[in-house]
Amino acid sequence: GAGVSQTPSNKVTEKGKYVELRCDPISGHTALYWYRQSLGQGPEFLIYFQGTGAADDSGLPNDRFFAVRPEGSVSTLKIQRTERGDSAVYLCASSLLGSGAWTDTQYFGPGTRLTVL
Amino acid sequence: GDSVTQMEGPVTLSEEAFLTINCTYTATGYPSLFWYVQYPGEGLQLLLKATKADDKGSNKGFEATYRKETTSFHLEKGSVQVSDSAVYFCALSDFSNAGGTSYGKLTFGQGTILTVHP
Repeated sequence: GAGVSQTPSNKVTEKGKYVELRCDPISGHTALYWYRQSLGQGPEFLIYFQGTGAADDSGLPNDRFFAVRPEGSVSTLKIQRTERGDSAVYLCASSLLGSGAWTDTQYFGPGTRLTVL
Repeated sequence: GDSVTQMEGPVTLSEEAFLTINCTYTATGYPSLFWYVQYPGEGLQLLLKATKADDKGSNKGFEATYRKETTSFHLEKGSVQVSDSAVYFCALSDFSNAGGTSYGKLTFGQGTILTVHP
């Protein structure tokens, strides 16, 4: 079946602008995660959704970052007043939420490369 | 907090050479351990995983054993191929709980670039 999809694949914006990044998880996956990968680094956790609710947003760097998942499937990561330091690849992952969910495999999308000029 | 340390890279090998990429971790709980791979131009994909001590994960000729006593999860392959050239990430997922349901956010190492020459 289809994997995790993310749109757009590339986004170039100017400093101070607002951007939205979309993630479409694997059908039936209840858990959805957002990560951010800076150049030469491993991905870093941003936020976790359990169904429609953001159960853990401890990785969001500041209040310019916000994410929603209104119907429990597609999620949108929103960044206000973008800064050059926000430039990175934003990754989305989904997984089944079983009873031992920390053992679950997370399936990653191809990512959105955000460049803030 | 949780952390993952991978050996410094990049690693350059000739085809058919033996590969080891070291990975050690620090975790407060009893984590699951993963190796993810990122091939050129592609997204992250799971290579192998182990969920308890002494488990060995294996896939595509790669292996890694969960060593709780040394907090390590080293990746090995006996004979690498040019097609194995990629970036390899070690990661852990520790138990977390929200609203009565467990979940696991991944903590990644910095990645190791592997280049295999013919």
